[in-house]
Amino acid sequence: ETGVTQTPRHLVMGMTNKKSLKCEQHLGHNAMYWYKQSAKKPLELMFVYSLEERVENNSVPSRFSPECPNSSHLFLHLHTLQPEDSALYLCASSPAQGSEQYFGPGTRLTVT
Amino acid sequence: AQSVTQPDIHITVSEGASLELRCNYSYGATPYLFWYVQSPGQGLQLLLKYFSGDTLVQGIKGFEAEFKRSQSSFNLRKPSVHWSDAAEYFCAVVLNYGGSQGNLIFGKGTKLSVKP
Repeated sequence: ETGVTQTPRHLVMGMTNKKSLKCEQHLGHNAMYWYKQSAKKPLELMFVYSLEERVENNSVPSRFSPECPNSSHLFLHLHTLQPEDSALYLCASSPAQGSEQYFGPGTRLTVT
Repeated sequence: AQSVTQPDIHITVSEGASLELRCNYSYGATPYLFWYVQSPGQGLQLLLKYFSGDTLVQGIKGFEAEFKRSQSSFNLRKPSVHWSDAAEYFCAVVLNYGGSQGNLIFGKGTKLSVKP
């Protein structure tokens, strides 16, 4: 499989649940990103990993916890979410931080 | 502050008509420029990019974009729109390509509708 993949594609969870989003890139890139895309809002950059180290955390609430075990995989662990966290979560990768990014299809998250 | 502006929130064009989507940026120097397209419920797909050289850049799906330094613009064009081009289009810039300061900064997007 090529490109950037994300699982699951759709997720419905209650406010007390714990779940994880997974992203995998097959492009040999060194940087990976999590974005949140809500209706009628611009793309929000959440986290940046470069060479498996977190280099940016844009004031994201602690109920979102990223993990990058290697350069090909990125996770977003979710717990005690709020309804306003419902959104499309996009993962991206790039050859290096600050170069063109390639996106996965996203996970549509609904918090009930 | 550095920013990317897409002045048109929503544009409707007839199938077969030409298209131009506007993008302006505010930076002191020439940034690296990108256009992405997003179909409903999908991720973003890179259409084209400009780093340097020829200011007219060709991309996928028949799109092109022209960088105009004097106008701080990077407008996206297509001579003949197809119904499958209906999507949302995002302009993005990065100030420091490949560098630690460089993250993509996105515009708010322009939604394109195509009427038969």
